[in-house]
Amino acid sequence: KAGVTQTPRYLIKTRGQQVTLSCSPISGHRSVSWYQQTPGQGLQFLFEYFSETQRNKGNFPGRFSGRQFSNSRSEMNVSTLELGDSALYLCASSSEGAPIIVNEQFFGPGTRLTVL
Amino acid sequence: GENVEQHPSTLSVQEGDSAVIKCTYSDSASNYFPWYKQELGKRPQLIIDIRSNVGEKKDQRIAVTLNKTAKHFSLHITETQPEDSAVYFCAAYYNQGGKLIFGQGTELSVKP
Repeated sequence: KAGVTQTPRYLIKTRGQQVTLSCSPISGHRSVSWYQQTPGQGLQFLFEYFSETQRNKGNFPGRFSGRQFSNSRSEMNVSTLELGDSALYLCASSSEGAPIIVNEQFFGPGTRLTVL
Repeated sequence: GENVEQHPSTLSVQEGDSAVIKCTYSDSASNYFPWYKQELGKRPQLIIDIRSNVGEKKDQRIAVTLNKTAKHFSLHITETQPEDSAVYFCAAYYNQGGKLIFGQGTELSVKP
């Protein structure tokens, strides 16, 4: 099976702009989670989608949003970009189960966002 | 609150030595504890995981132990090799929020 893919891989934006990132999970996986990775804060959970519904959300402002489509592909959007939003954004897919059974999350390569 | 503490933040060992990384979690209801390895410029990859009904799990040179009472879990790498050099992350699954909370990471350096 093909792995998790993310597009674009690199993105440069300026403050105030908005950005949309895309994630295609492993075929058959219905759960997609998003994380922000920065040197200072590590890996922080943004939100998780399952069957087109946001099931869980981390402690990020409302500028961060997402959605999932019927084919399980997911997008996340960040509006009114700030300098502090510069980070590696990772998505991960898993096969099933949470919260009853949690399975391995497979990560994509990430999108490196730079906000100038 | 939801928190995973990971220590040490950096670890340097000689090739062939053992390396131990320790994590502590706060939610006693957590039931799944994966460990990820992230090489420079690459995505995190699962190396081993353990569920709360198991105290220890081993896969070749890698082992993980879990102490539910103390809310501690540890990664043990034996006979380290230079290719083990990477950042290692522990995580705990929080049932309440249905999410993985990661530790801050340990940068492991194995010197030949």
